[in-house]
Amino acid sequence: AQSVSQHNHHVILSEAASLELGCNYSYGGTVNLFWYVQYPGQHLQLLLKYFSGDPLVKGIKGFEAEFIKSKFSFNLRKPSVQWSDTAEYFCAVNAGGFKTIFGAGTRLFVKA
Amino acid sequence: NAGVTQTPKFQVLKTGQSMTLQCAQDMNHEYMSWYRQDPGMGLRLIHYSVGAGITDQGEVPNGYNVSRSTTEDFPLRLLSAAPSQTSVYFCASSPGVAYDWIEYFGAGTRLSVL
Repeated sequence: AQSVSQHNHHVILSEAASLELGCNYSYGGTVNLFWYVQYPGQHLQLLLKYFSGDPLVKGIKGFEAEFIKSKFSFNLRKPSVQWSDTAEYFCAVNAGGFKTIFGAGTRLFVKA
Repeated sequence: NAGVTQTPKFQVLKTGQSMTLQCAQDMNHEYMSWYRQDPGMGLRLIHYSVGAGITDQGEVPNGYNVSRSTTEDFPLRLLSAAPSQTSVYFCASSPGVAYDWIEYFGAGTRLSVL
């Protein structure tokens, strides 16, 4: 069965610090990969996605993620975080068909 | 264009009560789903539908029923609420493979079962 593992449940950073959130998945075939974000009091929204092509994908608000097939990883990065990036971040994997599997989430708190 | 609309936003139930969480989308999406979000466990799929009249179980279907009589609506029914069903429930819709299986989420329903 597919599974998604997010390495950190809670991350605390100061503004301007760099961010990297880890995500690993278990599935040997072709996958579609997502990062969703949930800002406080808001619903989940898509941050970025990877389907094919360039393994480095760019999303909204300066976020990017790199797909490393050999490591089954899809880590999320941002060079300089802002207070407004405080949110919960979910990595998700779709192996074809409708079912998408979500990781447990990483709560990011950015200190102003 | 409202997207995915969920009602109610908050609900408190007593053990054994029944209720229906409503979900409607106005994007003409074929695919709809219900997730529950629990601390440390992320989102877990309860039930999903690939079109009107077609539903299937997800990862945690026990205690929940769904139906899909129209493309727009996908209600989730709790037949006899239990404290273990205290959670935040999200409904989502997706246009499917042609749009990369991206999901669009509602604002959520926070349910407490006492």
